[in-house]
Amino acid sequence: GAVVSQHPSWVICKSGTSVKIECRSLDFQATTMFWYRQFPKQSLMLMATSNEGSKATYEQGVEKDKFLINHASLTLSTLTVTSAHPEDSSFYICSARDPRTGGITDTQYFGPGTRLTVL
Amino acid sequence: GQQVMQIPQYQHVQEGEDFTTYCNSSTTLSNIQWYKQRPGGHPVFLIQLVKSGEVKKQKRLTFQFGEAKKNSSLHITATQTTDVGTYFCAGGDYKLSFGAGTTVTVRA
Repeated sequence: GAVVSQHPSWVICKSGTSVKIECRSLDFQATTMFWYRQFPKQSLMLMATSNEGSKATYEQGVEKDKFLINHASLTLSTLTVTSAHPEDSSFYICSARDPRTGGITDTQYFGPGTRLTVL
Repeated sequence: GQQVMQIPQYQHVQEGEDFTTYCNSSTTLSNIQWYKQRPGGHPVFLIQLVKSGEVKKQKRLTFQFGEAKKNSSLHITATQTTDVGTYFCAGGDYKLSFGAGTTVTVRA
């Protein structure tokens, strides 16, 4: 399957600081990437859809000014958690659609996730 | 929006036994995808089902897509300790809607 990387794998920061998380598709070009958040023992919750060259689309209830998304190239999307607070502590996972899979819906491949802890 | 329900939430299985996890959608799905997430890990793609009534097998795992394309199931035979993890179904045309997941533990 396709490979998606995420950096950093974990980060601890102080309340009020901003944290940037990178998501890269390593062996394919992804025009669309997705950002999810997962709390312990819960399912994945879609935060936003990141489209290369255009503005991200946010799900209802997700603050776009707090979770800044930039999809500057076909292989890189970044999520910046601005002015992070302890309630933002979570597991953030990105995924990328692989257009080569050719199904009705392109298969999504997930990055390894970033565990954010805000003190 | 589209909702995908998944049961059971937890499945504690004796090693060697079979079990099934079920997924139901409130609307017809164009396809359904299954993922496995090991403890501390990230979701790993298992399979995608597209056709009505489709059945696919991966060794001891059997995936089914219902005739109405509103439900799906994952059946695992002869459970092994390597099957431990959370299994998610997800459906959607573009954005995936994930079920709550079935967390599987195995007793030897």
